[in-house]
Amino acid sequence: GQSLEQPSEVTAVEGAIVQINCTYQTSGFYGLSWYQQHDGGAPTFLSYNALDGLEETGRFSSFLSRSDSYGYLLLQELQMKDSASYFCAVDPNTDKLIFGTGTRLQVFP
Amino acid sequence: EADIYQTPRYLVIGTGKKITLECSQTMGHDKMYWYQQDPGMELHLIHYSYGVNSTEKGDLSSESTVSRIRTEHFPLTLESARPSHTSQYLCASSEQGLHYGYTFGSGTRLTVV
Repeated sequence: GQSLEQPSEVTAVEGAIVQINCTYQTSGFYGLSWYQQHDGGAPTFLSYNALDGLEETGRFSSFLSRSDSYGYLLLQELQMKDSASYFCAVDPNTDKLIFGTGTRLQVFP
Repeated sequence: EADIYQTPRYLVIGTGKKITLECSQTMGHDKMYWYQQDPGMELHLIHYSYGVNSTEKGDLSSESTVSRIRTEHFPLTLESARPSHTSQYLCASSEQGLHYGYTFGSGTRLTVV
């Protein structure tokens, strides 16, 4: 089976850098995705790591290490609008995403 | 504008009622999914479809059914609603390959009383 664990909550101040970790136990998967979800809203796609290493998209970067069964989402220059829940997700070779437990990020002024 | 639409946005119904949650997408995606999510919790896959006349059950046991008669339409039906069905239901679609991610609808927040 698959399980993806994330910290339940992370807090930071505006302008700071925060890292949200995702550790997983799965027999195999195509890649690691990240989604953002504001309260009451729909999840929105942020990034996808098919290969090990760092992928950068503006203020957000995502990292994957298959050998360590670990990935993270890095948010830089935090803004108040970044306050949301963040989910990692994997595709266990079946073309359907399995989501992590989710991390609630609170950004303070 | 290409998008994915879910109706109703909110629904309160009595126990034992039959309901259908609607989901339509205008992007021509073959793959569609239904997820169940309690507030602040992870998303659980309950049904998915890889195209017309293709439907499969997900990892979370569900008393719902789905159909896929047209590419753009993927409704979810609860034959007899129960309080345990109270949750948010999210519909999503995707292109081939996960590089593009899933596009989610705004969800239906269902309350069964």
